[in-house]
Amino acid sequence: AQSVTQLDSQVPVFEEAPVELRCNYSSSVSVYLFWYVQYPNQGLQLLLKYLSGSTLVKGINGFEAEFNKSQTSFHLRKPSVHISDTAEYFCAVTEEGSYIPTFGRGTSLIVHP
Amino acid sequence: DTAVSQTPKYLVTQMGNDKSIKCEQNLGHDTMYWYKQDSKKFLKIMFSYNNKELIINETVPNRFSPKSPDKAHLNLHINSLELGDSAVYFCASSQELDTSGETQYFGPGTRLLVL
Repeated sequence: AQSVTQLDSQVPVFEEAPVELRCNYSSSVSVYLFWYVQYPNQGLQLLLKYLSGSTLVKGINGFEAEFNKSQTSFHLRKPSVHISDTAEYFCAVTEEGSYIPTFGRGTSLIVHP
Repeated sequence: DTAVSQTPKYLVTQMGNDKSIKCEQNLGHDTMYWYKQDSKKFLKIMFSYNNKELIINETVPNRFSPKSPDKAHLNLHINSLELGDSAVYFCASSQELDTSGETQYFGPGTRLLVL
């Protein structure tokens, strides 16, 4: 069974600074990888996903993530954050052949002015 | 125009009561899900369901039961509510059940507080 680790429970950052949110996973088979964002009092919404092909995936709101198979990582990055990026970010993994994702425990991104 | 909607948004009730949360999706998706998000924001899948198959997470107590009157609706019924059931419950949907890598579309959540 797969597992997902988001090492940072909170990441404080100043506006316009770059940010990286870390995600590592473990699985014995091929996986599909997702990042979801949850704004306060809202449901989750997909930021980006990796299914196959180029390991650098671009998503909405200027976010991107890079799949690194050897390091079993799928870190999320943004070169310059805005106050409006303050939210909870969830990494999720689905094993090939399964349709049930496993979610990490989330990273709270807090952008300060 | 909301893709996945849930009612009610907030639910406060006494221990021992029975309650239902409704979910509707207008995306034409085949598969719907229920998730529970605890106070530490941990998101755990409870059920996935389409017209072929109900998959139950074996850790979910049998006091929880999904009910689907049609493809666009998946309601969650909870019997004999307990304090530990307090959480945010999210409904979600995706296009197909059999394809990995499907994006899930989430509802806004129902915040349940059991007193």
